[in-house]
Amino acid sequence: DIVMTQSPDSLAVSLGERATINCKSSQSVLYSSNNKNYLAWYQHKPGQPPKLLIYWASTRESGVPDRFSGSGSGTDFTLTISSLQAEDVAVYYCQQYYSFPLTFGGGTMVEIK
Amino acid sequence: EVQLLESGGGLVQPGGSLRLSCAASGFTFNNYAMNWVRQAPGKGLEWVSCISYSGDSTYYADSVKGRFTISRDISKNTLYLQMNSLRAEDTAVYFCGKLSGTSSYLPVNHWGQGALVTVSS
Repeated sequence: DIVMTQSPDSLAVSLGERATINCKSSQSVLYSSNNKNYLAWYQHKPGQPPKLLIYWASTRESGVPDRFSGSGSGTDFTLTISSLQAEDVAVYYCQQYYSFPLTFGGGTMVEIK
Repeated sequence: EVQLLESGGGLVQPGGSLRLSCAASGFTFNNYAMNWVRQAPGKGLEWVSCISYSGDSTYYADSVKGRFTISRDISKNTLYLQMNSLRAEDTAVYFCGKLSGTSSYLPVNHWGQGALVTVSS
């Protein structure tokens, strides 16, 4: 199974400042035949379903603000919120869809400082 | 508009059974693979099961393999999760999710609101 490890577990950022979340997979999720990283990022707020933010490690889902960006390849990935807004308070998860069983990271709680 | 509506959650005793349903609308149901994902109280997201767009292939987390069965009824545009031999650790909110395409190797881009399953005596 591919283990997804996120860091930090939580972070507090001032409004308008940058938030950076890291995700590391125990093996590469880069599929060589199409050069795509099978890595997604989700935002999850209490009482709501998760929301897809980023897929293929760096492609923003339609309607997602451009302050959210994803980067990385192979085993190391980053989600960046360039200018934190109040509505961004949530738990963020990375997930690999490279192989079954699909696996999520443990989550990173983002709060306002 | 894509809509996914879960039903069938509730309180069940350990060892009991429950069937979750996820009624889909707003898209061509038999063109998309589907997932179940759960979140136990105070815990993170856990993938549970996936079914291919055709229903020919199914996948399970080790924690539910042999106890849960995923299925789909194209005539009813409905996804199911039959849960048997339930344990306390199966207590969670269960979300159904539509993948973003035909392949089973894609992210979930639409989610239901979730159904609470509580396993307790």
